[in-house]
Amino acid sequence: GAGVSQSPSNKVTEKGKDVELRCDPISGHTALYWYRQRLGQGLEFLIYFQGNSAPDKSGLPSDRFSAERTGESVSTLTIQRTQQEDSAVYLCASSPRDANQPQHFGDGTRLSIL
Amino acid sequence: AQTVTQSQPEMSVQEAETVTLSCTYDTSESNYYLFWYKQPPSRQMILVIRQEAYKQQNATENRFSVNFQKAAKSFSLKISDSQLGDTAMYFCAFESGGSNYKLTFGKGTLLTVNP
Repeated sequence: GAGVSQSPSNKVTEKGKDVELRCDPISGHTALYWYRQRLGQGLEFLIYFQGNSAPDKSGLPSDRFSAERTGESVSTLTIQRTQQEDSAVYLCASSPRDANQPQHFGDGTRLSIL
Repeated sequence: AQTVTQSQPEMSVQEAETVTLSCTYDTSESNYYLFWYKQPPSRQMILVIRQEAYKQQNATENRFSVNFQKAAKSFSLKISDSQLGDTAMYFCAFESGGSNYKLTFGKGTLLTVNP
């Protein structure tokens, strides 16, 4: 498809397990963003990639959270030793290289920690 | 740091009527971008409208228009001829003009369009 693709759509896991969330941006989009949306809240910025490097990781809530991007394409967000407060929808967005072009969002991954 | 405030957690409107959603923001920058995104139950964030701060003319997209008051740091969204499909969460967002960069979101307004 032509849009941002995220997988899985839903993930349920036990507290303490590690999870990996995947984002496939729109082809040719060099900028990629991860956001977290807790129930009933707006989106919180987590991390921004330009190409394969991450100039801004300031939104990652703890060292249990990490992300990488390869080939200026797919990105994975990993949460280690999950906690119940990690339950949220994790949204990925991408945009072209040109500054301040609108971000295009995927449908998100709903993560539920039991 | 920038902040975005949406003071209306919920609003409702009758089909075919007009509704205005409020948004205020705080920034020390002079060059920036403002957005309204719509999030239906499907979860996908859909761009509704975009405004460049250096443009005085208010942006419009079909039934959607904004009232951008730069001095007051206000950016309201007007939806005309509301349709049932407009029912969704609406988020106001700010982006710095310095680089292709993160969005700062408000907490959202849940809009319900009633038949």
